Amino acid sequence: ETGVTQTPRHLVMGMTNKKSLKCEQHLGHNAMYWYKQSAKKPLELMFVYSLEERVENNSVPSRFSPECPNSSHLFLHLHTLQPEDSALYLCASSQDGAVSPYNEQFFGPGTRLTVL
Amino acid sequence: AQSVTQPDIHITVSEGASLELRCNYSYGATPYLFWYVQSPGQGLQLLLKYFSGDTLVQGIKGFEAEFKRSQSSFNLRKPSVHWSDAAEYFCAVPFSGAGSYQLTFGKGTKLSVIP
Repeated sequence: ETGVTQTPRHLVMGMTNKKSLKCEQHLGHNAMYWYKQSAKKPLELMFVYSLEERVENNSVPSRFSPECPNSSHLFLHLHTLQPEDSALYLCASSQDGAVSPYNEQFFGPGTRLTVL
Repeated sequence: AQSVTQPDIHITVSEGASLELRCNYSYGATPYLFWYVQSPGQGLQLLLKYFSGDTLVQGIKGFEAEFKRSQSSFNLRKPSVHWSDAAEYFCAVPFSGAGSYQLTFGKGTKLSVIP
């Protein structure tokens, strides 16, 4: 595997379900990000982890819970979601933490989430 | 607050024609600027970036962009479009949040290519 991988690629869940999205980066980076991409809206940054510590939480509802057990893995735990949470969830990583504006972010292919 | 505007939601061009995608930013100082491309079913890939120096920046896949401070613009160009360029293109500006640099993205421009 190379780059940034995400599993599953597609997920359909009911509002009462609990599921998790997984992201893995094979680039040796030490910052990881979760974004939400909805139709007709700009990409929304949800969470930033730098050196395995959460450094940003952009007012994301508590039904989304991130976890970063090490610098290569990032999870997004989902519970009691709403239909408006249906979107493409993108993971990204970058070198040198998240403390430089020069950081190029490398993106995974995303998980297409549908909440029924 | 920093913002990025991509005025064109959808553009259609013929294969072989030239292309220009517009990006305008709102930022107090000289910005850093990025263009990303998202092919169907894929994540975002960096096309090019501007940090300082020469205002004409070359990127991958034959793309270039020109930074114009007077117009607060960073338009993306390609002299001859290929069918494989059909994708969505995003302009982005990093800004400093509470604990890290974050990217503010435009809403994107979807490019369709007619054979």
